[in-house]
Amino acid sequence: QSALTQPRSVSGSPGQSVTISCTGTSSDVGGFNYVSWYQHHPGRAPKLMIYEVTKRPSGVPDRFSGSKSGNTASLTISGLQADDEADYYCYSYADSFTWVFGGGTKLTVL
Amino acid sequence: EVHLVESGGDLVQPGGSLRLSCTASGVSVSSYYMSWVRQAPGKGLEWVSVIYIGDNTYNADSVRGRFTTSRDNSKNTVYLQMNSLRVEDTAMYYCAGDPDSSSCFSSWGQGTLVTVSA
Repeated sequence: QSALTQPRSVSGSPGQSVTISCTGTSSDVGGFNYVSWYQHHPGRAPKLMIYEVTKRPSGVPDRFSGSKSGNTASLTISGLQADDEADYYCYSYADSFTWVFGGGTKLTVL
Repeated sequence: EVHLVESGGDLVQPGGSLRLSCTASGVSVSSYYMSWVRQAPGKGLEWVSVIYIGDNTYNADSVRGRFTTSRDNSKNTVYLQMNSLRVEDTAMYYCAGDPDSSSCFSSWGQGTLVTVSA
């Protein structure tokens, strides 16, 4: 399983919006609606932010949204806040009962 | 509230074995899709294995044939048996799961550190 492709880093100022992309293939991201996104602050357990491409777990602010087009999924964070600064990972089903993470994106809030 | 606690991480020599445990509270592991996810130092998250509610297990290519996931419902614990360990298996190992799907992780443990070194 090859890791899904994410930008190494993105940045934005408080209040702005940023979008993190997650590119795979038709065998993973493009083939199934099983993409989820995780926020990971160093030293803490990762946190589920989006599941099944667009669904938001209870307790996750609606500033976080997910989408997918073809083989690329995206996580958009609007109204950036300082606490959003973290690493973000996408995760997808990759066929034959295997799963794959993206390489991770470091979000910096300027 | 769901609480997952990993244990068993240690320093082990290449070629050695180790068994990690993930004990749950607030939930029955028998009703959860449970996975192991690892993060090597300075690297990203990597899916390692999953055990389905029906006890079928699946592994990443990188560990297939060396790692085995199992579950003991009486102890409410999931295990990761790791054999033929390699230096590149050095990582923080997390257990994570969800009651409804194997496609996402709504609950995570804090991790246990495995170091493979001579």
